[in-house]
Amino acid sequence: DTAVSQTPKYLVTQMGNDKSIKCEQNLGHDTMYWYKQDSKKFLKIMFSYNNKELIINETVPNRFSPKSPDKAHLNLHINSLELGDSAVYFCASSHNNNEQFFGPGTRLTVL
Amino acid sequence: QQQVKQSPQSLIVQKGGISIINCAYENTAFDYFPWYQQFPGKGPALLIAIRPDVSEKKEGRFTISFNKSAKQFSLHIMDSQPGDSATYFCAASMDTGRRALTFGSGTRLQVQP
Repeated sequence: DTAVSQTPKYLVTQMGNDKSIKCEQNLGHDTMYWYKQDSKKFLKIMFSYNNKELIINETVPNRFSPKSPDKAHLNLHINSLELGDSAVYFCASSHNNNEQFFGPGTRLTVL
Repeated sequence: QQQVKQSPQSLIVQKGGISIINCAYENTAFDYFPWYQQFPGKGPALLIAIRPDVSEKKEGRFTISFNKSAKQFSLHIMDSQPGDSATYFCAASMDTGRRALTFGSGTRLQVQP
């Protein structure tokens, strides 16, 4: 009965590879987000989708491409991975208010 | 530009003591101010939140104090317990339109038994 789930929990890959992270929420929320937490624990918004429409796209390299097949899912695809992409990526969701519920995170390590 | 500044970076409190974490914001368009608690290896979890129409909100041992004129807000944890040891983040967002959270830099709290 997990509210916001992410897969995988850990992802270790080589530089230059392409990888995807998946997020699903079963809360019936209409807005989903991707946040990045760096090695210093700083959390920063990357993208936001509302009803499958992109509404926030922060200054994120074009190598990052979010996709929302439906309101319950928001995936993040990363092309040509770089060392600096190593971080924990959190998915979150909210509905009609500001309360955001976060997933457990995906720890990405680029070697 | 860091829009939400948080202090201290780390805090050690004895069991039963009061933990106080402070935040200041710059953007006057912010009108929702939550605090999140994060344990190692877990996602941030909403602890308590306040809107600018009130100066204080209390939920159990957790209280937010809000000073709109000073653009500051703080989290007070009364009767701090070892189980409260975690990283705490303040955040801010707008009630309409852009609702993405702008986070402070986090405070690592250790409550010693």
